[in-house]
Amino acid sequence: GENVEQHPSTLSVQEGDSAVIKCTYSDSASNYFPWYKQELGKGPQLIIDIRSNVGEKKDQRIAVTLNKTAKHFSLHITETQPEDSAVYFCAASILGAAGNKLTFGGGTRVLVKP
Amino acid sequence: NAGVTQTPKFRVLKTGQSMTLLCAQDMNHEYMYWYRQDPGMGLRLIHYSVGEGTTAKGEVPDGYNVSRLKKQNFLLGLESAAPSQTSVYFCASSTGQGGYTEAFFGQGTRLTVV
Repeated sequence: GENVEQHPSTLSVQEGDSAVIKCTYSDSASNYFPWYKQELGKGPQLIIDIRSNVGEKKDQRIAVTLNKTAKHFSLHITETQPEDSAVYFCAASILGAAGNKLTFGGGTRVLVKP
Repeated sequence: NAGVTQTPKFRVLKTGQSMTLLCAQDMNHEYMYWYRQDPGMGLRLIHYSVGEGTTAKGEVPDGYNVSRLKKQNFLLGLESAAPSQTSVYFCASSTGQGGYTEAFFGQGTRLTVV
């Protein structure tokens, strides 16, 4: 089955700096790569996603890049703010497969220091 | 708009006891999932359902059973709880239509087995 690895496990940045989280996946059939943000005491929430026919996607201060050949994808947060402090999870899925199941990475705890 | 609601939010069980976690969604979603979240391991899929009356095993199904008698509800059962089942459990749902696979999560159930 699919295996998703995520690095780093913790990331501390100064407010205003950029943060980058990297993930690799093992199943070349995976074609959908979402990123979820989990705030303390809450469930994960989708913040951005990318499909395998696209190399990059941007939404305001966050962007995701995908390299299908190398089987890795990254989340970039620019101009970080204290409210960006949370745990971030990458995931991979095969759209159209039974259940559209998501395989998650281990998570990255991001701390933005004011 | 409640979204995905999990009951209970916290529970302490003794080894060998049984319990049922309830997940309810009001978005008319076809697909529902149960995940467990452990430190450093991300979210791992326990069981999932692609529609009323259906269930399927995920990555870590042992020790758990599920039922989806009504489209809006997905129940997770522990027949004989073990300390290894101490975790935070998340339910999620998604529409499953047209390959759109955003998963909406509940707020989680923190379960401790002593």
